[in-house]
Amino acid sequence: DGGITQSPKYLFRKEGQNVTLSCEQNLNHDAMYWYRQDPGQGLRLIYYSQIVNDFQKGDIAEGYSVSREKKESFPLTVTSAQKNPTAFYLCASSAAVGTGPNEKLFFGSGTQLSVL
Amino acid sequence: SQQGEEDPQALSIQEGENATMNCSYKTSINNLQWYRQNSGRGLVHLILIRSNEREKHSGRLRVTLDTSKKSSSLLITASRAADTASYFCATGGGTGKLIFGQGTTLQVKP
Repeated sequence: DGGITQSPKYLFRKEGQNVTLSCEQNLNHDAMYWYRQDPGQGLRLIYYSQIVNDFQKGDIAEGYSVSREKKESFPLTVTSAQKNPTAFYLCASSAAVGTGPNEKLFFGSGTQLSVL
Repeated sequence: SQQGEEDPQALSIQEGENATMNCSYKTSINNLQWYRQNSGRGLVHLILIRSNEREKHSGRLRVTLDTSKKSSSLLITASRAADTASYFCATGGGTGKLIFGQGTTLQVKP
């Protein structure tokens, strides 16, 4: 059953704590992305990676970190420096970059992060 | 930064009616995509239109693109209650980054 798996579905963070959101794909896609969605809003890009061991900042990278050690995995860490982390986090992947039709994204089902 | 602005923000129609949503963007693009999101779920890709295309169809969906006006529209014909969702446009510039609009929330009443 191919797709993108995000875990956990719900996550709670205490003040000063770092938390890590998992994203795994078995679609053999090169590119992976993390988006943040606030209630009633569109998606804002946090980080993206076009190839293993490489990633770029998106529009709202401050307070977040990522790694891309394996093609199928792209975990996102929400650090204590992110003062307003409550949001719905979406991971996505695509087969290729900059080739038009292959840029369509496949999304996971999301992680809702809340602050205790 | 949000590239696209969608209009209307919310739309409520009766089952069987057509629904039209519009998207405007600011910079040049390689392609424009439309996605659907059910409440609390991830997004699902609906259709992609390239910058050199003017119209594209997929089932009950019809997308138009006017690059001179930097705008696109999504038409859903003969809507069903199951079409109730949020719809987002996203623009791709060939860099690997997709920039999303703020979405249109569609409610289809049975």
